[in-house]
Amino acid sequence: GAGVSQTPSNKVTEKGKYVELRCDPISGHTALYWYRQSLGQGPEFLIYFQGTGAADDSGLPNDRFFAVRPEGSVSTLKIQRTERGDSAVYLCASSPVGGGDGYTFGSGTRLTVV
Amino acid sequence: QKEVEQDPGPLSVPEGAIVSLNCTYSNSAFQYFMWYRQYSRKGPELLMYTYSSGNKEDGRFTAQVDKSSKYISLFIRDSQPSDSATYLCAMNQGAQKLVFGQGTRLTINP
Repeated sequence: GAGVSQTPSNKVTEKGKYVELRCDPISGHTALYWYRQSLGQGPEFLIYFQGTGAADDSGLPNDRFFAVRPEGSVSTLKIQRTERGDSAVYLCASSPVGGGDGYTFGSGTRLTVV
Repeated sequence: QKEVEQDPGPLSVPEGAIVSLNCTYSNSAFQYFMWYRQYSRKGPELLMYTYSSGNKEDGRFTAQVDKSSKYISLFIRDSQPSDSATYLCAMNQGAQKLVFGQGTRLTINP
């Protein structure tokens, strides 16, 4: 597709459950990023992939959060034992290897933990 | 103290007004500066991308960077109701994570 695709667009889950959020980047973009945006705040960095490897995972809040990108394209953000504080919009972005003005965001997955 | 500070507003102006949005930052290593527009329930959309100090103009939008003062601005001329959105400043050191401001919610009143 022409843009970054994220599924599902909305996810409601019960506290303690496991969730997976999917990101399909722009074709040819080698860099992929996950951000989290809480209500009324700017996006906060979680993790950055260059190809298949996580180049920077310093933003992951704890070990309940994990992300993979096994073939260097689609990425999945996995959250174990969800907590109400995990409720937020999870945004994915991709860019060409040089970053720059090719940095493009998806519409996000709105996660609600009840 | 946050690396990037941005007044969250809200900011409300009449149609046709000139809008000024600003961010300050503390990390002198930032080299690339961006402004994103975010409509409700949508992802951020890149508006302006600048590298050096000075002005960059694109239609009704002008981005200004002052690295010596660690201060960036976005000006919107002849504002339209369709410009109503949240505006986010962002910056980074290269092909790495972006650091965002809190975002300013802007409303243009017809």
